[in-house]
Amino acid sequence: AQSVTQPDIHITVSEGASLELRCNYSYGATPYLFWYVQSPGQGLQLLLKYFSGDTLVQGIKGFEAEFKRSQSSFNLRKPSVHWSDAAEYFCAVGQYNNNDMRFGAGTRLTVKP
Amino acid sequence: EAGVAQSPRYKIIEKRQSVAFWCNPISGHATLYWYQQILGQGPKLLIQFQNNGVVDDSQLPKDRFSAERLKGVDSTLKIQPAKLEDSAVYLCASSKVLSDTQYFGPGTRLTVL
Repeated sequence: AQSVTQPDIHITVSEGASLELRCNYSYGATPYLFWYVQSPGQGLQLLLKYFSGDTLVQGIKGFEAEFKRSQSSFNLRKPSVHWSDAAEYFCAVGQYNNNDMRFGAGTRLTVKP
Repeated sequence: EAGVAQSPRYKIIEKRQSVAFWCNPISGHATLYWYQQILGQGPKLLIQFQNNGVVDDSQLPKDRFSAERLKGVDSTLKIQPAKLEDSAVYLCASSKVLSDTQYFGPGTRLTVL
């Protein structure tokens, strides 16, 4: 069955430090992978997505993610975190037509001054 | 461009009561999604519409949940009767076409007492 695992429930980093959020997936077909961010009281916003091609994907707000098929991972990274990045981050896997979207449980990011 | 609109933003009901949520997608978006997000979990897709037809409702609890998108624009999601475990945020999203980026509304927070 399709599933997404985000091993870290909560991560705290200092402002200016680098960030990596982990995501592992289990999917029978070719996966389409997504990272979303959710600020308190807000809907989800797409950061980036991977369908095919270059396994290093650039997104908005300075985020990037790398698809590693051998590890079934799609980790999100940012070289220097800003206080405004504090939010909940969700990894998701689905099909080309957005069918069967499965979200991970999320990782809450706290940014220390 | 206006985003996805949802109402109400908050709703508190007693168990066994009925409740309805409304969603107005971004203008011109053919595809509409309803998700349920229980506290501490990622969103779960309930139903996906393409214009006024259902594409995927495999995870919709059809004994108590129903959704419609009669004119292919706005949509309503109904729960009848509500149970305690239905307490969640109900998110609506839309995309231009099936495979396009999903844009999320702010959600409706339902509390069932």
